Amino acid sequence: KQEVTQIPAALSVPEGENLVLNCSFTDSAIYNLQWFRQDPGKGLTSLLLIQSSQREQTSGRLNASLDKSSGRSTLYIAASQPGDSATYLCAVEVDSNYQLIWGAGTKLIIKP
Amino acid sequence: DGGITQSPKYLFRKEGQNVTLSCEQNLNHDAMYWYRQDPGQGLRLIYYSQIVNDFQKGDIAEGYSVSREKKESFPLTVTSAQKNPTAFYLCASSPDFQETQYFGPGTRLLVL
Repeated sequence: KQEVTQIPAALSVPEGENLVLNCSFTDSAIYNLQWFRQDPGKGLTSLLLIQSSQREQTSGRLNASLDKSSGRSTLYIAASQPGDSATYLCAVEVDSNYQLIWGAGTKLIIKP
Repeated sequence: DGGITQSPKYLFRKEGQNVTLSCEQNLNHDAMYWYRQDPGQGLRLIYYSQIVNDFQKGDIAEGYSVSREKKESFPLTVTSAQKNPTAFYLCASSPDFQETQYFGPGTRLLVL
């Protein structure tokens, strides 16, 4: 059964730092992996989607990588800003039924 | 403006009561989904619908029911059989099954 883990559960860094969020999954048979952002008490916004055949995707200051063989993905945020404070969730779409399996998220706080 | 709306933002349920959460989208998406989010856990799929008049159980469908009579609407009923309904409920839609999902702002359900 596919399981998705995000460590750490919470992270606090000073403004301007580059940082990496981690996502690991137990079964490499995935269709794609997505990173989402969730602001407190709000819905989710899709940030990046990496197909299983891809190694990375970039959008502005965000870069997501995927290593299927090791069951890992990272979300790199460059030059962090207070507006980046949110919970970041990763989800894998499994090959067998195309449903999303979610991590519990990393709560990121960027201190001004 | 195109998007997904959920109402109400907060909902209070008395013991033994059924309550219905609304989800409407004007994106002309075929697929719609309901997720439950609990603190410290990933999102869990309750029900999904790939097309009008069709829906499938997700991982935690017990105690919930849905209908999909119109393309734009996918209401979720939390029945009295759901013994632990307190959670944040998220509705999502996608152009087709397996495509990127777009999320509504969520409904927080609390038990009196």
